[in-house]
Amino acid sequence: EPEVTQTPSHQVTQMGQEVILRCVPISNHLYFYWYRQILGQKVEFLVSFYNNEISEKSEIFDDQFSVERPDGSNFTLKIRSTKLEDSAMYFCASIETGGSGSPLHFGNGTRLTVT
Amino acid sequence: AQTVTQSQPEMSVQEAETVTLSCTYDTSESDYYLFWYKQPPSRQMILVIRQEAYKQQNATENRFSVNFQKAAKSFSLKISDSQLGDAAMYFCAYRSVIYNQGGKLIFGQGTELSVKP
Repeated sequence: EPEVTQTPSHQVTQMGQEVILRCVPISNHLYFYWYRQILGQKVEFLVSFYNNEISEKSEIFDDQFSVERPDGSNFTLKIRSTKLEDSAMYFCASIETGGSGSPLHFGNGTRLTVT
Repeated sequence: AQTVTQSQPEMSVQEAETVTLSCTYDTSESDYYLFWYKQPPSRQMILVIRQEAYKQQNATENRFSVNFQKAAKSFSLKISDSQLGDAAMYFCAYRSVIYNQGGKLIFGQGTELSVKP
């Protein structure tokens, strides 16, 4: 069964550094998402992406965050200047169509640690 | 805006017994989807079961079933014959069917389920 893959599985970075989290969604999927989960807390929506543009973003997704689909397969989340509170698990997800009952397919996540 | 509430931070069940996890949600929409996801210690998000709001029949998947009460906006998960591998964090989630909502999932706070041998 096709999977969403995320790299790296764990990233350690220093406060103020830029970090890029990478995802390869399932190939025929059209909607892509980033979610964040601070340890022990709920899974929070960051951004959705469709047709090469952001379709929706949350309040968390401020100017420090950006997303890109540079080559038609990868889907990246960039944090320009990381803060301690950005430490979390970041999940990428994809789905074939946005309004359907099909479940989101999640990657295994990238654990980001900001020191 | 839609919200999802899971009022039980932790639950415990004896192996082979049945446990029910609660979830309530708030929405003004008449059609939507509801999901339960399982997150084991590996942190992977695994779909357990889903329910379409327009269907009155409760969804079932093997030992997992839901009690969907649309008027009460309640969506509980029942796990029968609990197994040690069921121990995990369980998240209830809501999705709008409206196209321009982008299909995002809105999650509850989660319920940590432990299974005692």
